[in-house]
Amino acid sequence: EVHLAESGGGLVQPGRSLRLSCSVSGFNFDEYAMSWVRQAPGKGLQWVGFIRSKKGYGGTVEYAASVKGRFTISRDDSKNIAYLQMNSLNTEDTAVYFCTRTLSGRYDHWGRGTLVTVSS
Amino acid sequence: SHELTQPPSVSVSPGQTARITCSGDALPKEYAYWYQQRPGQAPVLVIYEDTERPSGIPERFSGSTSGTRVTLTISGVQAEDEADYYCLSADSSGTSWVFGGGTKLTVL
Repeated sequence: EVHLAESGGGLVQPGRSLRLSCSVSGFNFDEYAMSWVRQAPGKGLQWVGFIRSKKGYGGTVEYAASVKGRFTISRDDSKNIAYLQMNSLNTEDTAVYFCTRTLSGRYDHWGRGTLVTVSS
Repeated sequence: SHELTQPPSVSVSPGQTARITCSGDALPKEYAYWYQQRPGQAPVLVIYEDTERPSGIPERFSGSTSGTRVTLTISGVQAEDEADYYCLSADSSGTSWVFGGGTKLTVL
């Protein structure tokens, strides 16, 4: 059974950093791209970015303009974990962050999300 | 910039047909994907590549496309279909993705 679980969320002050993890099981992690999607309280879904598989796609990354230069997505295929490193956080980054298994725009499995609150 | 436009809300009575639209300039060239999100839950993929239905999704969910607009159709709406629905697509480069603003489906 495919399972994704985010962790690392919490309360953080503006300007600080936080790293989220997405641990997966039940499929060949190294064969899939992984995406991050966030949802601010009471708002819609927002695409954050994704990392391609290293197999054939070099593990390259794409980001939304709103996080480019501040957020970094990485992966450790030996541990079946995807990461979202978030720097220079501001209040607009407050959201539930989801990781998803990705095949182009086909996000077929999602974690339950982890809440990040940016506040002083 | 790449944008997808959805109506904020759609209301239908049980058994009727609900149609939720999503408009964007890149949609003639890029596939659209539809997600259902019930309160407090993670989204669920209900349509991919404009018209394809994942296994486990009821046949009453279907997708169609026409020019710069894609449509999610739910035939014979049931109370359990009440949820927020989001479209997703890429820009013309295929490297930047965006969700529509979401449509709240209310089953009267």
